[in-house]
Amino acid sequence: GAVVSQHPSWVICKSGTSVKIECRSLDFQATTMFWYRQFPKQSLMLMATSNEGSKATYEQGVEKDKFLINHASLTLSTLTVTSAHPEDSSFYICSASVRGWYPEQNTQYFGPGTRLTVL
Amino acid sequence: AQKVTQAQTEISVVEKEDVTLDCVYETRDTTYYLFWYKQPPSGELVFLIRRNSFDEQNEISGRYSWNFQKSTSSFNFTITASQVVDSAVYFCALTLPYSGAGSYQLTFGKGTKLSVIP
Repeated sequence: GAVVSQHPSWVICKSGTSVKIECRSLDFQATTMFWYRQFPKQSLMLMATSNEGSKATYEQGVEKDKFLINHASLTLSTLTVTSAHPEDSSFYICSASVRGWYPEQNTQYFGPGTRLTVL
Repeated sequence: AQKVTQAQTEISVVEKEDVTLDCVYETRDTTYYLFWYKQPPSGELVFLIRRNSFDEQNEISGRYSWNFQKSTSSFNFTITASQVVDSAVYFCALTLPYSGAGSYQLTFGKGTKLSVIP
């Protein structure tokens, strides 16, 4: 159980284009999804938290207009990198969890990640 | 604020050796959850274990074992008889429990890269 998928697994795009990354919880309903960015040989940096049906909460320093997050259903969240530039190249990882009081509901399950390369 | 420290940046061991990955955490809260995740070269973070602050029992799962000591704020991870497939980056993380509001974010350590040499 607790499987999270991401699509695409990798994408190469030209500078100035927009890229959409999907994150799906396959066998559970995720009330909360998180988006992370990871640079080579570094830890994960939280970009934003999205609760189903409400606007995402962005971390300080993350541009809301550049990284659009939508969490329209309990199994799907999307991250759109708008007008991508080479500095946006990175490994993007999503995680999903069920918001609740039980221990297993306080666990984030991660997707396989999406490697974005902007030329 | 919470903090997780993994002082070992990289560790190399020869196959079949035992290895312990250290994790020290800081939090003022009395209720929290600790985690270990494995990130193999493929990139996906794999959930290994969750431990809540009320449960100091050590846990063993096959070749993996975890030692949780509140007195030293440590949650160390030991792999016995290491194998090449254990080569990965291992992250220790902490979160506060859901409290009816907020997003209960994970605070990650910087990770320890384990290389198991055949």
